[in-house]
Amino acid sequence: EAGVTQFPSHSVIEKGQTVTLRCDPISGHDNLYWYRRVMGKEIKFLLHFVKESKQDESGMPNNRFLAERTGGTYSTLKVQPAELEDSGVYFCASSQVGGGGKETQYFGPGTRLLVL
Amino acid sequence: RKEVEQDPGPFNVPEGATVAFNCTYSNSASQSFFWYRQDCRKEPKLLMSVYSSGNEDGRFTAQLNRASQYISLLIRDSKLSDSATYLCVVNRHGGSQGNLIFGKGTKLSVKP
Repeated sequence: EAGVTQFPSHSVIEKGQTVTLRCDPISGHDNLYWYRRVMGKEIKFLLHFVKESKQDESGMPNNRFLAERTGGTYSTLKVQPAELEDSGVYFCASSQVGGGGKETQYFGPGTRLLVL
Repeated sequence: RKEVEQDPGPFNVPEGATVAFNCTYSNSASQSFFWYRQDCRKEPKLLMSVYSSGNEDGRFTAQLNRASQYISLLIRDSKLSDSATYLCVVNRHGGSQGNLIFGKGTKLSVKP
């Protein structure tokens, strides 16, 4: 069974440009999460989808970030316009619904974003 | 204060050694607890969940002390392949939400 996939694996853009990250969760996983790790910091939660609905977007840093999950399958995370502090590794994770919070989250390989 | 705190290490140990990692969390309402392993430039992978009664998986033993808000991971007979960063992870919410709170990780290096 395929794991969580993310595209692109790396992205280098200039400040002010737009970047769109894509995540394909494990088939059948209704929960989809975005996390981010900036240099020297811990991994931090950004937002959580259940199917196509945003369950929690409390971790989104500001309105330059827009996440979508149309149709409840893959998700995109757009950063527009990108700033230097947006550089980091963006991870996507997916899990099955249910389990009282104990469901295992499987992480994708991440997208390494560098804003110059 | 960070929600999840870990000793960053690095821990440099010889093969065969026993090594213990500690972690504290600040939110007493936290419901679920995990250790994830992250290899260099890779994604985090679940190593084991941590239960109140403690649990063991081969050479790995995890313990949870809710009263002290303390989690531990013990690795016995360490192997070269155990070299990685170990992330202490807490689920902030109960119920079905799984928004994970990560520590910064403890780096382990096992030497021949």
